[in-house]
Amino acid sequence: QVQLVESGGGVVQPGRSLRLSCAASGFIFSSYGMHWVRQAPGKGLEWVAVISNDGSRKYYADSVKGRFTISRDNSKNTLYLQVNSLRPEDTAVYYCAKDVSSGYYVVLWGQGTLVTVSS
Amino acid sequence: QSALTQPASVSASPGQSITISCTGGSSDVGYYNYVSWYQQHPGQVPKLMIYEVTNRPSGVSDRFSGSKSGNTASLTISGLQAEDEADYYCSSYTTSSTVVFGGGTKLTVL
Repeated sequence: QVQLVESGGGVVQPGRSLRLSCAASGFIFSSYGMHWVRQAPGKGLEWVAVISNDGSRKYYADSVKGRFTISRDNSKNTLYLQVNSLRPEDTAVYYCAKDVSSGYYVVLWGQGTLVTVSS
Repeated sequence: QSALTQPASVSASPGQSITISCTGGSSDVGYYNYVSWYQQHPGQVPKLMIYEVTNRPSGVSDRFSGSKSGNTASLTISGLQAEDEADYYCSSYTTSSTVVFGGGTKLTVL
């Protein structure tokens, strides 16, 4: 079945970096746009970034622009999020999510990976 | 990239109907029909309930329906059941090719 499995979260000090990964299976990964969405503890959903199916187009939320980079490797069916210069307010569960097609809305979510930014 | 505006909470008794509003602007909700709604139970992953304003994915109860007028989209749940108690989020595609979510609405079934 369609599955998205995130990894790479953990506890990190402010200013440091992490790379989150999302392994996709059960669908033709290279045919779909992919998103990262985060949710701070006890808070709502916040869209982070989207990447087109071929990786040529990337868009970001203003809150992460310049610090986060979304990428993908279609040969490995894997989505990535490089998160740099982390701040305490970046503490959240980060969800990998499959788009309906080209970046319009999320149709399927992974289980998420928790990133905690703390000294 | 301002979040879409949703009421923080709504409540109703079983069997009743509720409507959750989602207000954006002319560059998101008002521009595209790419409004979707998600249900999230505590500790669980969000689930798509409505897509492209009015459409239900396979397996979603027909008690859930969506609509839009101008810059405001709405989710209506009829015949409320205890299992409907959850957080609900709207989202919209924007003219900047980004996605924006609403702040979320906590539905309490009394």
